Amino acid sequence: DAKTTQPPSMDCAEGRAANLPCNHSTISGNEYVYWYRQIHSQGPQYIIHGLKNNETNEMASLIITEDRKSSTLILPHATLRDTAVYYCIVRAASFGNEKLTFGTGTRLTIIP
Amino acid sequence: ETGVTQSPTHLIKTRGQQVTLRCSSQSGHNTVSWYQQALGQGPQFIFQYYREEENGRGNFPPRFSGLQFPNYSSELNVNALELDDSALYLCASSLPTGGYYGYTFGSGTRLTVV
Repeated sequence: DAKTTQPPSMDCAEGRAANLPCNHSTISGNEYVYWYRQIHSQGPQYIIHGLKNNETNEMASLIITEDRKSSTLILPHATLRDTAVYYCIVRAASFGNEKLTFGTGTRLTIIP
Repeated sequence: ETGVTQSPTHLIKTRGQQVTLRCSSQSGHNTVSWYQQALGQGPQFIFQYYREEENGRGNFPPRFSGLQFPNYSSELNVNALELDDSALYLCASSLPTGGYYGYTFGSGTRLTVV
């Protein structure tokens, strides 16, 4: 699986959009970009994933650049409950390639 | 639908002892993975079970072993505990699609080895 690079920490004001960047310059054509977050003392929570098109669900939006070398997770209206460590993970979504390779993620703090 | 349930939530063991951690997967999920998360680090993949067989293993020694039962619940066993085994142990379940739709994690078991 390709490696990812994320800033170690970010702050965002409550109610504003939180934009979390991720660099994955060595991503392969069959690898997806996944985002998980981990709120203190809980297990990681799946947020969203994508291959090359932008994706949106009830939690967030994922913007992947055309060359697929980077992506941005967007939380449109951040709340205090969005304070967490956010992990960007690149992996091939195929049976037999099961593991998630977590880095150290971005610690997002939402400021009241 | 129920989520992933892990037990116990906290555990203290002595170096050299053995420990068994348990996980009940989310309803409808038949694939279970285990992760170890040291303080301040991201989770590290230990192994995964599908249809009661080990299906992939990370860089962990053989004293880390597991089982999956017909009802898809799972156990993680660690023998000869070392101080460095102190960590949060996470269980994750998924459909048999390589986690394409994401894994559901439990809240973990906090193991302390003294």
